[in-house]
Amino acid sequence: AQSVTQPDIHITVSEGASLELRCNYSYGATPYLFWYVQSPGQGLQLLLKYFSGDTLVQGIKGFEAEFKRSQSSFNLRKPSVHWSDAAEYFCAVGGTSYGKLTFGQGTILTVHP
Amino acid sequence: DAGVTQSPTHLIKTRGQQVTLRCSPISGHKSVSWYQQVLGQGPQFIFQYYEKEERGRGNFPDRFSARQFPNYSSELNVNALLLGDSALYLCASSFKPTAETQYFGPGTRLLVL
Repeated sequence: AQSVTQPDIHITVSEGASLELRCNYSYGATPYLFWYVQSPGQGLQLLLKYFSGDTLVQGIKGFEAEFKRSQSSFNLRKPSVHWSDAAEYFCAVGGTSYGKLTFGQGTILTVHP
Repeated sequence: DAGVTQSPTHLIKTRGQQVTLRCSPISGHKSVSWYQQVLGQGPQFIFQYYEKEERGRGNFPDRFSARQFPNYSSELNVNALLLGDSALYLCASSFKPTAETQYFGPGTRLLVL
């Protein structure tokens, strides 16, 4: 069975500081991995995805993530956080058989000025 | 091009009633997936339809059903509503049936009283 763990429920950073959101997954084969962002009351916006190849992937809004197979991790990073990055972030894993995505419980990001 | 659209945006029902939620995928996308997001949790997979056939089903009771129409739009039906069905219902579309990039709509927020 596939699963995703986001260990941090809530993270607070100062504007301009660096950010790392953790994600650990469990999946029987090479997974498809995603990071989505959700603003209050809104749908999910895709930040970036990993299917294969280069383990460091770049996304929108200056975000990047690194796939580490040995650690079953797919952590999201941003070198300098902006106040507009405050939102909830979800890591998700999927496979090649059908379209089910399994999400973590999310990490709420608060940005202080 | 228009993104994924969902209707209605908000809905209030009472226990025992039935509800139908609608989703129109991005033009050219043949796969539609439904997710339930309870407050404070990540989205949970309910169904996937591809080319009008069910491709996957999550761990939801038979009160939940869905279908996909020839134009690839989809409906999610929930019968005998319970208080616990109160959630944000998200629809996602993709071109292929695998867990490749899925684009999410804004969701329908259902409140069951």
